[in-house]
Amino acid sequence: DAGVIQSPRHEVTEMGQEVTLRCKPISGHNSLFWYRQTMMRGLELLIYFNNNVPIDDSGMPEDRFSAKMPNASFSTLKIQPSEPRDSAVYFCASSLALASRDHEQYFGPGTRLTVT
Amino acid sequence: AQKVTQAQTEISVVEKEDVTLDCVYETRDTTYYLFWYKQPPSGELVFLIRRNSFDEQNEISGRYSWNFQKSTSSFNFTITASQVVDSAVYFCALLAGGTSYGKLTFGQGTILTVHP
Repeated sequence: DAGVIQSPRHEVTEMGQEVTLRCKPISGHNSLFWYRQTMMRGLELLIYFNNNVPIDDSGMPEDRFSAKMPNASFSTLKIQPSEPRDSAVYFCASSLALASRDHEQYFGPGTRLTVT
Repeated sequence: AQKVTQAQTEISVVEKEDVTLDCVYETRDTTYYLFWYKQPPSGELVFLIRRNSFDEQNEISGRYSWNFQKSTSSFNFTITASQVVDSAVYFCALLAGGTSYGKLTFGQGTILTVHP
């Protein structure tokens, strides 16, 4: 059974460019999470969805960041315009549900973003 | 607010030694869930275990064991007879109810290095 799929695995872009990160959750999972990992701040939750609806986006750093989940099998995280301080590893995770016993989150391999 | 503290930033052991990773958490919720994740050098985050607040039974899985003590708000992780492949960053995480339901709070992680 496929795990969480993220693309691209690595992205190098110049400051000011638009960056789109993609995620396909585990089939049947109803909740999806976007995280960012940096040395300075550790793992931070950016936004999460339940049944394709954004539940909490309080972790999104600023208006340059946006996330969508048009259907149960696909989500995007977009940064426009990108800045060097956005360089980090971005993880997508999914879980079966939010409010049940089966809500451990399974993480994708991450996208390493470098903004020069 | 939820908080997870992993006081050990780095631990270094020699293969076959036992090692315990400490995790202390803070929450006002009476229902909560604790997790351990492993992040090997390859970068992905691997789910290891979930423990519910109403179940204080310790758990053993092969060389791994977990000690959950509500009285001290701790959820410690022990690796018995460590191996080089155990070298990774280990994260403890907390998921609590209320308005923040669904949000995992991670500790800063403990870097474990197992030397041959």
